[in-house]
Amino acid sequence: DIQMTQSPSSVSASVGDRVTITCRASQGISSWLAWYQQKPGKAPKLLIYAASSLQSGVPSRFSGSGSGTDFTLTISSLQPEDFATYYCQQANSFPPWTFGQGTKVEIK
Amino acid sequence: EVQLVETGGGLIQPGGSLRLSCAASGFTVSSNYMSWVRQAPGKGLEWVSVIYSGGSTYYADSVKGRFTISRDNSKNTLYLQMNSLRAEDTAVYYCARVGMSIAEGHVFDPWGQGTLVTVSS
Repeated sequence: DIQMTQSPSSVSASVGDRVTITCRASQGISSWLAWYQQKPGKAPKLLIYAASSLQSGVPSRFSGSGSGTDFTLTISSLQPEDFATYYCQQANSFPPWTFGQGTKVEIK
Repeated sequence: EVQLVETGGGLIQPGGSLRLSCAASGFTVSSNYMSWVRQAPGKGLEWVSVIYSGGSTYYADSVKGRFTISRDNSKNTLYLQMNSLRAEDTAVYYCARVGMSIAEGHVFDPWGQGTLVTVSS
């Protein structure tokens, strides 16, 4: 199975800060990488697919990059509603599909 | 509006069985790949199972042989039959539609609100 490793596990930031989260796959997955946002008590929400494509309705301050094994989610200017936990997921051809362990973005 | 609503969670003793349901609206379950994903309390996301539009099914090793995914086309509903439940199966269970296009890959969108399964004596 493909293992997904996110870093950091948590980050403290202020409103307006630029935040970067990384995700590494244990083997190459081309651009088959998605990012999700999850707020407490809520279901995850798809933010980015195919490593860098923004899901409809997601603010443009979110961006994704990378291919192969190394990927990045960037929030260019953190907003109060962005405090949440973020997960990467390898969206490769066949199951099992695996998630990173999550990165919690907290208020500084 | 595309929507998924899970029901069927609850408290169950170890070794027991439970069936979760996921009613879909705004799209046809049988024309899509549909999955279950779970989240243990305070933990991350774990993919559990998928049923393809053609009917093929796949499971995580952790539930293989104990869980069965199925659908009822007439009710546009997805199910997860869970048998021989263990304490480590305690989690919120989400159903989600799985992307099928080459452009997006196998992403999960949308998700239901989740239903909590607690396995405890």
